[in-house]
Amino acid sequence: DGGITQSPKYLFRKEGQNVTLSCEQNLNHDAMYWYRQDPGQGLRLIYYSQIVNDFQKGDIAEGYSVSREKKESFPLTVTSAQKNPTAFYLCASSLGASLAGELFFGEGSRLTVL
Amino acid sequence: AQKVTQAQTEISVVEKEDVTLDCVYETRDTTYYLFWYKQPPSGELVFLIRRNSFDEQNEISGRYSWNFQKSTSSFNFTITASQVVDSAVYFCALSGGDGGFKTIFGAGTRLFVKA
Repeated sequence: DGGITQSPKYLFRKEGQNVTLSCEQNLNHDAMYWYRQDPGQGLRLIYYSQIVNDFQKGDIAEGYSVSREKKESFPLTVTSAQKNPTAFYLCASSLGASLAGELFFGEGSRLTVL
Repeated sequence: AQKVTQAQTEISVVEKEDVTLDCVYETRDTTYYLFWYKQPPSGELVFLIRRNSFDEQNEISGRYSWNFQKSTSSFNFTITASQVVDSAVYFCALSGGDGGFKTIFGAGTRLFVKA
């Protein structure tokens, strides 16, 4: 079945450590996104990529980094510079970067900083 | 700036009741799209509907219906005869306006349907 796979589902990190969240899609979508979800808040855009080897900062990019070396993959690194990294992270993709783009989501990765 | 407001944080209903989830949006653009997504306990958001700014027709899909009113900048979602399986967090979202193709989400409304 086509879809988006995020791993790991749960991740614990000590302060000062970088962690990388994986996102793979087999939908042949051009655009991919990372969102952060905190309790009681909507999804906030961290980074997005419209095409391979290109990505742009979203609204809360500080302390995060991404790469887009392959169409299928869009990993997110949460660096030690991110002050409050404990959150639920959702990866999404869409067929193209358009206003009308329906987003397809993975099941998320829950990061907890100890 | 564009914004999506879902004023209802949580709603609790008894099975078979009708329930309406409110969504109010702000945008200066004339071309934009509105969405509703459902987030079940498993975590992934599931697309429910898309509506473009030029189409104010209401839409019905089974027990779900949507009411889009540009005059009040609202895009409300009604579930008729709610079921326990409808329990989830529902997000209203907007793309277009000064956000370009980026999608802006509301804070979500958590719906509890009790048997």
